[in-house]
Amino acid sequence: GAGVSQSPRYKVAKRGQDVALRCDPISGHVSLFWYQQALGQGPEFLTYFQNEAQLDKSGLPSDRFFAERPEGSVSTLKIQRTQQEDSAVYLCASSSTSGVYNEQFFGPGTRLTVL
Amino acid sequence: LAKTTQPISMDSYEGQEVNITCSHNNIATNDYITWYQQFPSQGPRFIIQGYKTKVTNEVASLFIPADRKSSTLSLPRVSLSDTAVYYCLVGVDTGRRALTFGSGTRLQVQP
Repeated sequence: GAGVSQSPRYKVAKRGQDVALRCDPISGHVSLFWYQQALGQGPEFLTYFQNEAQLDKSGLPSDRFFAERPEGSVSTLKIQRTQQEDSAVYLCASSSTSGVYNEQFFGPGTRLTVL
Repeated sequence: LAKTTQPISMDSYEGQEVNITCSHNNIATNDYITWYQQFPSQGPRFIIQGYKTKVTNEVASLFIPADRKSSTLSLPRVSLSDTAVYYCLVGVDTGRRALTFGSGTRLQVQP
């Protein structure tokens, strides 16, 4: 498939556990974004990578959230010591350039439920 | 970023034309208007983007009046599969390159 893929699609964690969410962007895409989407709301920005550089992480809600993209392709969003308020769908998107109006291609998301 | 206002929900029937209007009174000179569509359990998908007048592609048309303070997404002859949430986005955070979504318009198409 040529689209953005994410794994796992669903994750259930007990409060306090660490989780890691994976994003495989479209091959060759320079820009990668993570968004968080609460039920009934639009996606909200978390962080942005251009190749391997994390250029903006201002949307990460706390220092328990950490993202990396070490080789400029696959990215991982890690959440430490999960809390119930972290329950949401986590979306990854990629785009082919760093142009501000370039179309973003989204993956299906990972639905995280923290019990 | 320009604040956008769009209806929370709309209902339609198969075969009808649906028009979703978005208000963006404080749109900036350099801002483009972009619409995304999101189906349940999927990520948003780009539909159309425009700056002024009218833009048409195989999926939809986008009408933008001269003052650019609003825009209308037009979906011709909708089908059940057009049931989704439609987001109007104006401008892009040029720093973070991220999209700023509102709550969108939930379109329900009935048979």
